[in-house]
Amino acid sequence: ETGVTQTPRHLVMGMTNKKSLKCEQHLGHNAMYWYKQSAKKPLELMFVYNFKEQTENNSVPSRFSPECPNSSHLFLHLHTLQPEDSALYLCASSQAPSGVSDTQYFGPGTRLTVL
Amino acid sequence: GENVEQHPSTLSVQEGDSAVIKCTYSDSASNYFPWYKQELGKRPQLIIDIRSNVGEKKDQRIAVTLNKTAKHFSLHITETQPEDSAVYFCAARAITQGGSEKLVFGKGTKLTVNP
Repeated sequence: ETGVTQTPRHLVMGMTNKKSLKCEQHLGHNAMYWYKQSAKKPLELMFVYNFKEQTENNSVPSRFSPECPNSSHLFLHLHTLQPEDSALYLCASSQAPSGVSDTQYFGPGTRLTVL
Repeated sequence: GENVEQHPSTLSVQEGDSAVIKCTYSDSASNYFPWYKQELGKRPQLIIDIRSNVGEKKDQRIAVTLNKTAKHFSLHITETQPEDSAVYFCAARAITQGGSEKLVFGKGTKLTVNP
């Protein structure tokens, strides 16, 4: 269960705050993902990074800003969020290119509440 | 792009009965189909997967079948137990805008196994 870690596990922020979510994978993978999980859209892909390069932005508002400094770390910078952004934010990683081992492994998530 | 439909959204069975969850996908190029189980408050975890060169795969009480022609795949759980209660997600592998790979998830099935 320690292959993909996320911090913080819980975050409460106001609409004017700036905060960052952190994800770290210890599996030697080179693809990392951010997902948003809410009651309305259970597993909604936000961003994909492959070898530190962003290869997918799923029409995510600019108030969410990802950063991938290396293949092991992924950040999601948050600013001027809306209450509807409250959700569980999940990070995942996988081996890329896929083949024998292409399973995505998820972190425990950050439960975000925007007041 | 790839679209994955999952049914039913909720499923309630008696302990010992079988449970079947069905998914359809739209992109005939998809070649990898994992199933994830998410228990309440926990991260999604892979329970079984299947590739397009195989029609069926079994792991103890869990099996997955794939019909490439019809573009649908199903999860079968036999002899269900209360600990099988969770949300199950199917997924299909697709290509991102940037040419790498991603998983497109169904909306999930909440399975409840009644003792």
